[in-house]
Amino acid sequence: GENVEQHPSTLSVQEGDSAVIKCTYSDSASNYFPWYKQELGKRPQLIIDIRSNVGEKKDQRIAVTLNKTAKHFSLHITETQPEDSAVYFCAASISSNTGKLIFGQGTTLQVKP
Amino acid sequence: DVKVTQSSRYLVKRTGEKVFLECVQDMDHENMFWYRQDPGLGLRLIYFSYDVKMKEKGDIPEGYSVSREKKERFSLILESASTNQTSMYLCASSSVLNQPQHFGDGTRLSIL
Repeated sequence: GENVEQHPSTLSVQEGDSAVIKCTYSDSASNYFPWYKQELGKRPQLIIDIRSNVGEKKDQRIAVTLNKTAKHFSLHITETQPEDSAVYFCAASISSNTGKLIFGQGTTLQVKP
Repeated sequence: DVKVTQSSRYLVKRTGEKVFLECVQDMDHENMFWYRQDPGLGLRLIYFSYDVKMKEKGDIPEGYSVSREKKERFSLILESASTNQTSMYLCASSSVLNQPQHFGDGTRLSIL
């Protein structure tokens, strides 16, 4: 079946450094790739998404890149701040027309002040 | 702003009980989803619904059922609760294809 692999499972960086989280997906028909941030005790919230007709998208300190040939996409956070500490999930749509997403296992990001 | 409301934040039930988790969304979304979240396993899809009275199994449907009698409400039912169903349950909704899912605050369910 379809799956999404996410790495690393934990990531610790110093404040001001960059953080990169990578995901690979198996369904070649996937064409929508959202990223969610979940702070402790809170709901997952969308932070950025990308569609397959775009290779890169940026929103302030956050960027996402997509390589459809290799079936992988990455989240880049620059100038990290302590409030970036959270669990991040990637996801990919599946080929059936139902709006269903397959989620990665999550990455716990810790930004040390 | 999309609002997805889950009926309880915390719930404690006993083994063998029938448990109902309720979810309501206020944006007229076609799609609704129930996930289970466990440490290290990410978000695993239990069931989803793409229209009223329509439902499909997700990756881990065993021991669960769902009901969608109205477009705004999607219920998750644990037919006979077991201790291995202790978990965080998240409901989500989305409008059409390739649009983000919006999540509720979650229900932390403990089965004793």
